[in-house]
This record gives sequence, structure tokens and C-alpha cells, in this order.
Amino acid sequence: NAGVTQTPKFQVLKTGQSMTLQCAQDMNHNSMYWYRQDPGMGLRLIYYSASEGTTDKGEVPNGYNVSRLNKREFSLRLESAAPSQTSVYFCASSFITGQGLGEQYFGPGTRLTVT
Amino acid sequence: GESVGLHLPTLSVQEGDNSIINCAYSNSASDYFIWYKQESGKGPQFIIDIRSNMDKRQGQRVTVLLNKTVKHLSLQIAATQPGDSAVYFCAEKARAQKLVFGQGTRLTINP
Repeated sequence: NAGVTQTPKFQVLKTGQSMTLQCAQDMNHNSMYWYRQDPGMGLRLIYYSASEGTTDKGEVPNGYNVSRLNKREFSLRLESAAPSQTSVYFCASSFITGQGLGEQYFGPGTRLTVT
Repeated sequence: GESVGLHLPTLSVQEGDNSIINCAYSNSASDYFIWYKQESGKGPQFIIDIRSNMDKRQGQRVTVLLNKTVKHLSLQIAATQPGDSAVYFCAEKARAQKLVFGQGTRLTINP
């Protein structure tokens, strides 16, 4: 099992450019998440998908869009990148049971710089 | 509101000593807490979790304590090793399936 994979690992964009961050998991998890991590800070939730076909906003959704392409894949799109979006982006997945609990497994991250 | 904070941003311990990392949370309705370890350049890695109906849970060399009265969570690492050097985050499950992460504590091990 590869777990959670993310592409690309690094990316530099100019202000106004767009890009899509890709995430895939092979653990048959039903829920997937996108976080951003800024220096010296914890992770902040951007968007999540509780199950295939559903997406919901997290704490910091402005400037981002997501697509839950299928059960395995959850992409994050920046339509018009801004320097404030310079960050490390982590994708995570979990299996949510009827009790509503589930450990989240994280990918290795995408380091994005917007100039 | 929902927020998770840490008492100390950095912690330095001697190799072989026990480490205690603390975390405060503000949402008394939170029912699930997780500790994650993040090594440099990597994604967070699950260490241990605890539900709100428990006060203590033990894993391999790690123990999590939950004090709901004062809304405090701690992670104890026994016999700290160089490989324990990392940033440790506590996270709190708030609404639905959202986790709220704390700022993190950097643990450094002195030889």
C-alpha cells in the first residue's frame, strides 16, 4: 500500500496562475481532507469530503476549490494563486465509522511558493 | 469557540528522560483527541488517540492523559530517544469530522 500520495512535491507559481494539487489514497477510505500548514503553525482545514460525491468547506476555503473525483482521488485547485497561498499543503484520508471516529492518514505534502 | 493550544512551543529533554507535552482545548463538547508527530519534511503521523469517555490511554512508550475538568491533554513519552525529535500536535475533533489542530510543540533531544 502506498497510503496517501500527493503530486507534485514542489511547485512555484506566479501570482494569478492556476494549478491543481492531486491526492490519491489506496486504503479504501471514505473521507478525504485538504489542509494547509504555514511556518510555525498547526494544520488548518481547507476542504473535506466526508464521502464520495460530497464536499464541505473547512476553516480556510477562500481561494480554493476541490473535486472528489472518485473514492480514491481528491484534488485541490487554486484558480488564481496569491502570495498568501504560499504554504505546505497536506492531503489526508480516514475511514469514518458509525461512531464518527477515524484516524487520519497524511500524505507527504506539496510545498507551494507563489511569487 | 473551538481552539486548541499548547502551553510550550519548544521542549528540550535529555535522552533517556521522560517527555511531557501539554495541550489545552476550549471546546468542552469535543469527544475525540489525537496526538500526531511530524518529522521535518514529512506529513503528520498518528501516535495515539483518546475518546472523551476515557482519562488515560497507553501505547508503546506513549501515554495520553485527558483531564476534562480543566480541558487539558498531555502526551507522555517514556525513555525519550533521538528518533522522538519532531513537532508534536494535538488535535481535537469538533463538529462533524473536522479536526482542529494546535500550534505544535518542537521536541528536541539532548545527547
